[in-house]
Order: sequence, then C-alpha cells, then structure tokens
Amino acid sequence: EPEVTQTPSHQVTQMGQEVILRCVPISNHLYFYWYRQILGQKVEFLVSFYNNEISEKSEIFDDQFSVERPDGSNFTLKIRSTKLEDSAMYFCASIYRDRGNNEQFFGPGTRLTVL
Amino acid sequence: KQEVTQIPAALSVPEGENLVLNCSFTDSAIYNLQWFRQDPGKGLTSLLLIQSSQREQTSGRLNASLDKSSGRSTLYIAASQPGDSATYLCAVPDRGATNKLIFGTGTLLAVQP
Repeated sequence: EPEVTQTPSHQVTQMGQEVILRCVPISNHLYFYWYRQILGQKVEFLVSFYNNEISEKSEIFDDQFSVERPDGSNFTLKIRSTKLEDSAMYFCASIYRDRGNNEQFFGPGTRLTVL
Repeated sequence: KQEVTQIPAALSVPEGENLVLNCSFTDSAIYNLQWFRQDPGKGLTSLLLIQSSQREQTSGRLNASLDKSSGRSTLYIAASQPGDSATYLCAVPDRGATNKLIFGTGTLLAVQP
C-alpha cells in the first residue's frame, strides 16, 4: 500500500543551524502539508502546498521556514536558523482530494531536537 | 475558529472492555472527520474517515459515529486489547480551500492485560 515517507527519523542540530526535513508524498497526491507536534501538545498545522506554491501558512510559519518541491517526488521543509523552540515532531501529509477521496495520509515524522 | 476537544484525556481499562472515546468540535460545517492512532514517539495512523453525509463508519473492532448538528463524534472500540494502547486523535478540516486539519488533544488509552 502506498505510504508517505520521511527522512531522517531523528535530527539533532545546534541552535542557529539550518535543517532540511524531507518527505516523499504518495505519488498521485496533489496537496501536501507540514504539521508539527511539540512534546505533549496538539498537532498543529504549519503550511499547505499545491500546484508548486504555498496555499496557506500558519502564524508559526515565519520567514525562517520554507518549503519546496524540487522534483516530482520530494517535498522539503527547511528551517534556516533553528531555535530551541523548534524542537518537535514534524509530520508531512498528503491528500489526493476529490469529492470522495479526501483522507489525509501522514508520514512517520521527523523528530527534531535543537540543542 | 474551529476548536476540537477530546474527552477523556486519559483512560485505563481492563482487557476485553468495550469503550467510547469522545470528540467535539465547535464549527459543525465540516466536510469529514478523521480518527487517528498515535503510538508513543511515532507517526499518525489513519483509522477511520467519516464523510459529513455519513453517520457511522466501521473498521474491524472500531466504529466511529458522527453527529454534525451537535458537533460530536465518538470512537467505539469493542473488546479492547493491550495492543490498542495508544493515543487516539480526532481531526476535522478547517473551513477554506486547503483542507488543513485541526486536531484535538487526544485521548491516551491504556488497556491493561
């Protein structure tokens, strides 16, 4: 069964460093998302991406964050200068999205630890 | 602004019990509702998706119901097993074109052998 994959599973970085989190959505899906979950808190939306551009972003998604779909398969989240409070699980999700097919499928997540 | 609440926050039951997890949402104009399972430190596994036109959806020992008018959904787990121990999350798509999900805080379920 097709699935969303994410790499790496765990990333440890120093504060101020850049990190890139990678996702491979399900191949025929059209909408892509990043969410994050700080330990013990709700899963919260970061950004959605459709047709090679950002369709919506949350207040969290400031200038330090960017997303890219550099080829037909990968979807990346870049954090330019990490802060301690960026430590969280980051989930990628994708959806085909038509009238009867709007279930979101999530990847296993990347645990980001900022020291 | 859509808000999703789940009660109880935590639940511990002996193996074999039937149980109900609750989810409520403030804006009833939803397209669907999704239930997820999350094991500790792991990703989100989609369990059931109920479309707004449906009242119930079943998968094995799981049954989810949806009452849009009252802003509620329940997840019924029959004959619980220790392997069901996990956090269960419900989520609804926000209004707007992007279908982003708004999550509840989850119910942490422990099934004791």
